[in-house]
Amino acid sequence: AQSVTQPDIHITVSEGASLELRCNYSYGATPYLFWYVQSPGQGLQLLLKYFSGDTLVQGIKGFEAEFKRSQSSFNLRKPSVHWSDAAEYFCALLFGNEKLTFGTGTRLTIIP
Amino acid sequence: KAGVTQTPRYLIKTRGQQVTLSCSPISGHRSVSWYQQTPGQGLQFLFEYFSETQRNKGNFPGRFSGRQFSNSRSEMNVSTLELGDSALYLCASSLQTTSSGANVLTFGAGSRLTVL
Repeated sequence: AQSVTQPDIHITVSEGASLELRCNYSYGATPYLFWYVQSPGQGLQLLLKYFSGDTLVQGIKGFEAEFKRSQSSFNLRKPSVHWSDAAEYFCALLFGNEKLTFGTGTRLTIIP
Repeated sequence: KAGVTQTPRYLIKTRGQQVTLSCSPISGHRSVSWYQQTPGQGLQFLFEYFSETQRNKGNFPGRFSGRQFSNSRSEMNVSTLELGDSALYLCASSLQTTSSGANVLTFGAGSRLTVL
């Protein structure tokens, strides 16, 4: 069965510092991969997606993610975080017409 | 272009009651999915509807049901509410895209249900 693992439950980063959120997946083939962000009391907003092709994908709000097949990973990065980036981040996996499977999320706290 | 609209945004019910949540997808989107989000279980898939037919179903008891109308709007119903049903219920719509079948879900803001 497909699964998504986000090993970090909570990460604290200083404003202006770089960020990397980890995501690993388990599936027999290459899935479609997504990163979503959720602000308190809100729904999920799509940051970026990977379907195929270039393994480095750019998203909104200055985020990027790199797909590494050898490591079954799809880590999210941002070179310089802003206080408004504080939120919960979810990695998700989809294969074919199956349901979107989410990781448990990583809560990001930004300190001044 | 309007996003995914969920109503009501907040509601409080008591155990044993039932509740109906509504979701209006983005215009032109024919697929609607529902997810339950709780602190303990995270995001769990409830069901997906496409062209008024349930296409996928998650591992939830029969108290959870849904339907989709001809205009793609969807409702989900939870009967005989339990305390554990307290959650944020998220609806997402998608446009069935390429032959690869990849769906990009756009989520609504959710309906927060509290069961007392």
